[in-house]
Amino acid sequence: ETGVTQTPRHLVMGMTNKKSLKCEQHLGHNAMYWYKQSAKKPLELMFVYNFKEQTENNSVPSRFSPECPNSSHLFLHLHTLQPEDSALYLCASSQAPLRGNTIYFGEGSWLTVV
Amino acid sequence: LAKTTQPVSMDSYEGQEVNITCSHNNIATNDYITWYQQFPSQGPRFIIQGYKTKVTNEVASLFIPADRKSSTLSLPRVSLSDTAVYYCLVGDMEAGRRALTFGSGTRLQVQP
Repeated sequence: ETGVTQTPRHLVMGMTNKKSLKCEQHLGHNAMYWYKQSAKKPLELMFVYNFKEQTENNSVPSRFSPECPNSSHLFLHLHTLQPEDSALYLCASSQAPLRGNTIYFGEGSWLTVV
Repeated sequence: LAKTTQPVSMDSYEGQEVNITCSHNNIATNDYITWYQQFPSQGPRFIIQGYKTKVTNEVASLFIPADRKSSTLSLPRVSLSDTAVYYCLVGDMEAGRRALTFGSGTRLQVQP
């Protein structure tokens, strides 16, 4: 176990649905991240939060809405997604969003949009 | 975005030493170099991190030349369970941006 827990592990949703992915870290870290991994593509950084404040939004469409109520929890709210949004969504955390810090990933949430 | 270049894939046999090199010409002065391992359907897992020269832990060694424009991950005596994708991660050089950007990774296939 990495100390980063994601739920659900698998999610199938229609294009008109609203769902959320949840992430919780038990490492006492201050920074949390959402990454997207599509088939045969590199990991894409989506959002960065540091002390609950969003510090990076990597030009992510507004149909993905992150929420970070505290340093231990991170959500990704999903609405009106497209089939091309089907991917593995990975949550991660680190002590701080600095280059020298090791990133700890969760197991990921497999999202299928139908 | 940070520019890291790794071989797309590598093949090896059990018991051999595997060296995977990553090029990162635009590495920043304060950047560390970190390598991650990813198995299918799992999140990446930290392997090793270094700043310069050589770092060794129980699973790998990391060699970094003086100019730091590349690094080499060395896996001694690989086994079938080392079949995975290996990522080299360095900081982003764009001014004011602390993106944590992964490269395309190297897919290592270990054969019996």
